[in-house]
Amino acid sequence: NAGVTQTPKFQVLKTGQSMTLQCAQDMNHNSMYWYRQDPGMGLRLIYYSASEGTTDKGEVPNGYNVSRLNKREFSLRLESAAPSQTSVYFCATRGFMTGPNTEAFFGQGTRLTVV
Amino acid sequence: AQSVTQLDSHVSVSEGTPVLLRCNYSSSYSPSLFWYVQHPNKGLQLLLKYTSAATLVKGINGFEAEFKKSETSFHLTKPSAHMSDAAEYFCVVSEHTNAGKSTFGDGTTLTVKP
Repeated sequence: NAGVTQTPKFQVLKTGQSMTLQCAQDMNHNSMYWYRQDPGMGLRLIYYSASEGTTDKGEVPNGYNVSRLNKREFSLRLESAAPSQTSVYFCATRGFMTGPNTEAFFGQGTRLTVV
Repeated sequence: AQSVTQLDSHVSVSEGTPVLLRCNYSSSYSPSLFWYVQHPNKGLQLLLKYTSAATLVKGINGFEAEFKKSETSFHLTKPSAHMSDAAEYFCVVSEHTNAGKSTFGDGTTLTVKP
């Protein structure tokens, strides 16, 4: 049972290059999220998907696009990378909104450097 | 709307002494609250959660937290710090809506001195 799997784990991009971060979950959760983590700050929500076929902007969506390919997969795309997008990116899922099992589950993160 | 404030960005304790990491929250709903721990260059691990059952919540590795609605607080405590507790700690509030978005505090770095 892998949980939440992110690929790649590390990536270095040149300014202006594009790339897609992949996230897959085997927990059968409806909700999926992409966060970025910068030094001295908590995780900030980039985009989220409440269910297959829907996506919405979070707190910091500029410069990113997402695709909810199916229930399992939620990808994050940087069309033209900028140094300000250097960060650690986390994918997360959540299955229940009420009750005792409402916690989110996180992938191991993707460390992205844009030079 | 919801928000989280972690009142200390850094906390330093000696090994064997108590730990207190403070968290205040704001939420329009009866919230779900969580504490996560992140060790250097690692992912996030759930320490404990409050989901409207008991107000005193016990978690892993001897940590616990008390939900106080009147004070809108969810402080994390541990009676005796261990060197392995040195890490970044995040307080998180989550919505009960369909999207279930989570809002993170800025984190508290815990240093444990020998």
